[in-house]
Amino acid sequence: GQSLEQPSEVTAVEGAIVQINCTYQTSGFYGLSWYQQHDGGAPTFLSYNGLDGLEETGRFSSFLSRSDSYGYLLLQELQMKDSASYFCSRGTARQLTFGSGTQLTVLP
Amino acid sequence: DAGVTQSPTHLIKTRGQQVTLRCSPKSGHDTVSWYQQALGQGPQFIFQYYEEEERQRGNFPDRFSGHQFPNYSSELNVNALLLGDSALYLCASSLGRLNTEAFFGQGTRLTVV
Repeated sequence: GQSLEQPSEVTAVEGAIVQINCTYQTSGFYGLSWYQQHDGGAPTFLSYNGLDGLEETGRFSSFLSRSDSYGYLLLQELQMKDSASYFCSRGTARQLTFGSGTQLTVLP
Repeated sequence: DAGVTQSPTHLIKTRGQQVTLRCSPKSGHDTVSWYQQALGQGPQFIFQYYEEEERQRGNFPDRFSGHQFPNYSSELNVNALLLGDSALYLCASSLGRLNTEAFFGQGTRLTVV
């Protein structure tokens, strides 16, 4: 299968660090992407990991371990505007398989 | 660059009717993919169009069909609407076979009553 598992909800306070985990089934794995979606809006690309290790983009970092079939998204210096749904996904941009999403709530 | 645009933004249809949703990809992109997103769920891949042909298809019935035009824009058609077809329909565009970043439109919210 090609399913991905991630927590349904995460809550953190402004300024904190939060990690959203994602595990996946290894069949036909190409790479792991992360997307952010605010309520009713367009999903926007955050990062991609094709190889093991850490990718950093500003306050956001993403990590992949192929041997563990596991990845995570790390959000630092949380801001209120980071409250959104975060989806891990696999595949190429032409055909993505998404997890069910993690709703992040940032509290003041 | 206008990015990916979809129309209409909202739509209400009756069971059994047919609907057509439209998508214009980001400038320079040649591939359009369609997704269905139910409330509280991740987007589910419907199908992908490249060079005016359906290239890959997800687990959706034949009631879902599409088309891509020479200018790369695309349509999604759904026939014999069911209440369960109510969802946010997202269009994404990309360039190249191995590209990893998809650009999404704001979606069309379809309600079937």
